[in-house]
Amino acid sequence: GENVEQHPSTLSVQEGDSAVIKCTYSDSASNYFPWYKQELGKRPQLIIDIRSNVGEKKDQRIAVTLNKTAKHFSLHITETQPEDSAVYFCAASIGDNYGQNFVFGPGTRLSVLP
Amino acid sequence: NAGVMQNPRHLVRRRGQEARLRCSPMKGHSHVYWYRQLPEEGLKFMVYLQKENIIDESGMPKERFSAEFPKEGPSILRIQQVVRGDSAAYFCASSPRQGANEQFFGPGTRLTVL
Repeated sequence: GENVEQHPSTLSVQEGDSAVIKCTYSDSASNYFPWYKQELGKRPQLIIDIRSNVGEKKDQRIAVTLNKTAKHFSLHITETQPEDSAVYFCAASIGDNYGQNFVFGPGTRLSVLP
Repeated sequence: NAGVMQNPRHLVRRRGQEARLRCSPMKGHSHVYWYRQLPEEGLKFMVYLQKENIIDESGMPKERFSAEFPKEGPSILRIQQVVRGDSAAYFCASSPRQGANEQFFGPGTRLTVL
């Protein structure tokens, strides 16, 4: 089955610096890769996603890149702000066109230091 | 348009009791997913349901756990004879249609087993 690894497990950056979180997956059939942000005690919220027919996607300070050959994808946050502090989860889809569920990575705890 | 609703938000049970967790998907969504999150850990897939059908229950423990999504009413995750190890946050997510990728999470139910 699908296995998703995520690194680093914790990441501290200075406000204004960039943060990069990397994930690898094992199932070449996975075709959708979302990133979720979870603040303490809150629900996971989708912040960006990428489909397998695209190599890169950007939304303001957040970008995601996908390398299908190497089976890895990364989240890039530029100009980090204290409110970016949270746990970030990557996920890879498994399933077929009828429906898909996700295998999540173990998460990265990002701390943005003022 | 209300988001995914879950109740109760907090549930305390003694060992051996039953826990019932409810999830109402977003309006127009017919696919429901349940995930379990242990403290300081990631989200683990449990079960994927469509109305009146279990699509994938590969993440459900073989005993004591069951889930349903009836034609009318919310999806229910039922845990019989709870044990301390069942203490976790249980999140449900919904998606709109067959083949859709995006999943929207509810606020979670935090189950504590005494």
